[in-house]
Amino acid sequence: KQEVTQIPAALSVPEGENLVLNCSFTDSAIYNLQWFRQDPGKGLTSLLLIQSSQREQTSGRLNASLDKSSGRSTLYIAASQPGDSATYLCAVGLADSGYSTLTFGKGTMLLVSP
Amino acid sequence: NAGVTQTPKFRVLKTGQSMTLLCAQDMNHEYMYWYRQDPGMGLRLIHYSVGEGTTAKGEVPDGYNVSRLKKQNFLLGLESAAPSQTSVYFCASSYTGTGATEAFFGQGTRLTVV
Repeated sequence: KQEVTQIPAALSVPEGENLVLNCSFTDSAIYNLQWFRQDPGKGLTSLLLIQSSQREQTSGRLNASLDKSSGRSTLYIAASQPGDSATYLCAVGLADSGYSTLTFGKGTMLLVSP
Repeated sequence: NAGVTQTPKFRVLKTGQSMTLLCAQDMNHEYMYWYRQDPGMGLRLIHYSVGEGTTAKGEVPDGYNVSRLKKQNFLLGLESAAPSQTSVYFCASSYTGTGATEAFFGQGTRLTVV
């Protein structure tokens, strides 16, 4: 069974810092990996989608990398802002199920203070 | 540009009552999903559908039923609500399986069973 782990569970940084969120998964047979953002009381917003054949994706101040062989992904946030405060979820799409679904980690709660 | 819409947003039920949660998407997506999110447990897949008229069980299907009579709608039913079903429920959709393409989520339904 695929297991997804996110470290750290919570992170607090001052505004302007660069930071890295980590995600690891146990089964490397994945279609892709997605990073989501969730604001309190809200739904999930997709940030980046990395296909299994790709090594990284970038969107603005966000950069996500994927090392499928080692079962790891990182989300790098440059020059963090208070508006980045949210919970960040990592999810992997399984390649070996009949109909592919997402398996989620429990998330990293990020607080960026002014 | 509605995306994925969930109805209702909040609900309080008494133990034993029944209710239906509605999910509607306007993106012509084939795949639709119901997840529940609980503190410390992350998101867990309840049921999903790979097309109109199809349904399949996810990780935690007990106590729930689903129907996909129209492509754009995916209904989640609780026949006899239990306090253990207190949770936040999220619907998602994707063009193909979420393991292969980007998933879009609704804003969630917060259900309390007393």
